[in-house]
Amino acid sequence: DAGVTQSPTHLIKTRGQQVTLRCSPKSGHDTVSWYQQALGQGPQFIFQYYEEEERQRGNFPDRFSGHQFPNYSSELNVNALLLGDSALYLCASSSVANSYEQYFGPGTRLTVT
Amino acid sequence: AQSVTQLGSHVSVSEGALVLLRCNYSSSVPPYLFWYVQYPNQGLQLLLKYTSAATLVKGINGFEAEFKKSETSFHLTKPSAHMSDAAEYFCAVSVGNRKLIWGLGTSLAVNP
Repeated sequence: DAGVTQSPTHLIKTRGQQVTLRCSPKSGHDTVSWYQQALGQGPQFIFQYYEEEERQRGNFPDRFSGHQFPNYSSELNVNALLLGDSALYLCASSSVANSYEQYFGPGTRLTVT
Repeated sequence: AQSVTQLGSHVSVSEGALVLLRCNYSSSVPPYLFWYVQYPNQGLQLLLKYTSAATLVKGINGFEAEFKKSETSFHLTKPSAHMSDAAEYFCAVSVGNRKLIWGLGTSLAVNP
């Protein structure tokens, strides 16, 4: 049973560029949440997707957007990258019936220079 | 509003000693509470969860936590620390059955 997978593992971008991160949920899960974890901090909730729609959003600017596909996989897009966007981006999957019980992928380390 | 406070950003114990990581929460409704562990350069792994069943919850790797409503606490313990327990530990509370609100984490060091 495959767990949550994320790609790429690491990414280096320059300020102003755009980036797309990808996530495949654990088998049987239909809900995907995205978190940003800055160095030495706890994760911060970005948004959650269910049935291909954004279900809830945290306190992040519109530069952060996402998408969920019919196979439940998801993308996180960040436009006009800032140095402060450098972080570990974590994807978590869950089932809608128990969306509080989230299983995390290994994360994508984004470095903005 | 829900919130989580982890007391002590760094905890150091000797191998074989008791591990105690503290977590207090604030919630206007009965909470669901979680402990996650994060090893260096890895994602988060669920250690254990409280979802309004038994107040003493047993998790993986010998960890357990006790939900104490009167103290609004959910402290994580392990009777005997192992070198492999060195990691970052996060306490989290569920909000509206959707997103998780996280503490700032406690870094556990285990000394030989």
